[in-house]
Amino acid sequence: DQQVKQNSPSLSVQEGRISILNCDYTNSMFDYFLWYKKYPAEGPTFLISISSIKDKNEDGRFTVFLNKSAKHLSLHIVPSQPGDSAVYFCAPGGGTYKYIFGTGTRLKVLA
Amino acid sequence: EAVIYQTPRYLVIGTGKKITLECSQTMGHDKMYWYQQDPGMELHLIHYSYGVNSTEKGDLSSESTVSRIRTEHFPLTLESARPSHTSQYLCASTSEVGEKLFFGSGTQLSVL
Repeated sequence: DQQVKQNSPSLSVQEGRISILNCDYTNSMFDYFLWYKKYPAEGPTFLISISSIKDKNEDGRFTVFLNKSAKHLSLHIVPSQPGDSAVYFCAPGGGTYKYIFGTGTRLKVLA
Repeated sequence: EAVIYQTPRYLVIGTGKKITLECSQTMGHDKMYWYQQDPGMELHLIHYSYGVNSTEKGDLSSESTVSRIRTEHFPLTLESARPSHTSQYLCASTSEVGEKLFFGSGTQLSVL
């Protein structure tokens, strides 16, 4: 049973437009939510996080929204740039210290 | 700048060989993790550690073993590698719950 789902395996967006990546989870005990960006054959790099006590966190071009009642979070990238092309993972975590990663969404930003 | 060192970056070996993947961090983090990722798939947690002499198995069953004798070092060992072990292995660490995970560059393992 997947606790974390990223239902869009891939997404293509024009440069300068908004990219919206979605993530759904099942465990209401998750307290922290992380987003990572990953290139092939490299380790994930941290993008942005949000605590369950917030519904929005912003860092430059990246904004994460959390809807706890719907167990849904989304990552918005505005404006999208070709360098943003990568695989994006959401990773909720909780009091057990373990972060669970979704299946990822491959974002392609077209120049 | 937080850094996690993983060696080797790439490893190609034959079936039946014993291998150890190295992971070290200089941040003094208590919590360390090993994830495994196949191409196009999610990262699966295979081992984690809360501190020295503490190791636990993750959500994905793995034939590998780990040790945590020093805070900074969390090596992963496969006693007898098989083609099914071919994957990318990622080491990570963090200081506190809710803090971000720092990842190493990973080891791409190919077992022939």
